[in-house]
Amino acid sequence: GENVEQHPSTLSVQEGDSAVIKCTYSDSASNYFPWYKQELGKRPQLIIDIRSNVGEKKDQRIAVTLNKTAKHFSLHITETQPEDSAVYFCAASQDTDKLIFGTGTRLQVFP
Amino acid sequence: EAGVAQSPRYKIIEKRQSVAFWCNPISGHATLYWYQQILGQGPKLLIQFQNNGVVDDSQLPKDRFSAERLKGVDSTLKIQPAKLEDSAVYLCASSPLGLAGAAKYFGPGTRLTVT
Repeated sequence: GENVEQHPSTLSVQEGDSAVIKCTYSDSASNYFPWYKQELGKRPQLIIDIRSNVGEKKDQRIAVTLNKTAKHFSLHITETQPEDSAVYFCAASQDTDKLIFGTGTRLQVFP
Repeated sequence: EAGVAQSPRYKIIEKRQSVAFWCNPISGHATLYWYQQILGQGPKLLIQFQNNGVVDDSQLPKDRFSAERLKGVDSTLKIQPAKLEDSAVYLCASSPLGLAGAAKYFGPGTRLTVT
């Protein structure tokens, strides 16, 4: 079955700097890769997703890149703000199948 | 649009007791998922329903966990008897059919503490 690895487990950046979180997946059949943001005690919220037919997607300060050959994808947050502090999870699935989640990255943005 | 609803939000029970969680998905969403999120880990799928049929329950500990989705809308997840290692947040998620169903929308979760 699918296995998703996520790095780093914690990431601390200064406000205004960029943050990058990386994930690798094992199942080459996976074709949908969402990213979720989870604030303490709250539900995971979908922030951006990408399908395997594109290599990059951007939404304001957030972007995701996908390398199908290497089976890895990354989340890029530019101009980080304190409110970006949260745990971020990557996930992978095949079409509308179940999501397999990574282990999470705790991002801290210091003012 | 109303989101996924879950209740209760918190539950504390002793080991060997039973507990039940309830989920009401987003209106019109055919697919419903129950995930278990242990502290410090990513959510792990327990069971997936499409309408009122089970699609995947391969990771559901069936000796103690059960779930149903009568009439293809609301769902309940039950644990009987509970163990200490069941302490976790139980998240319900839903998605529509078709390609749009790749995106899953989560409820607020039920935090279970087993003592």
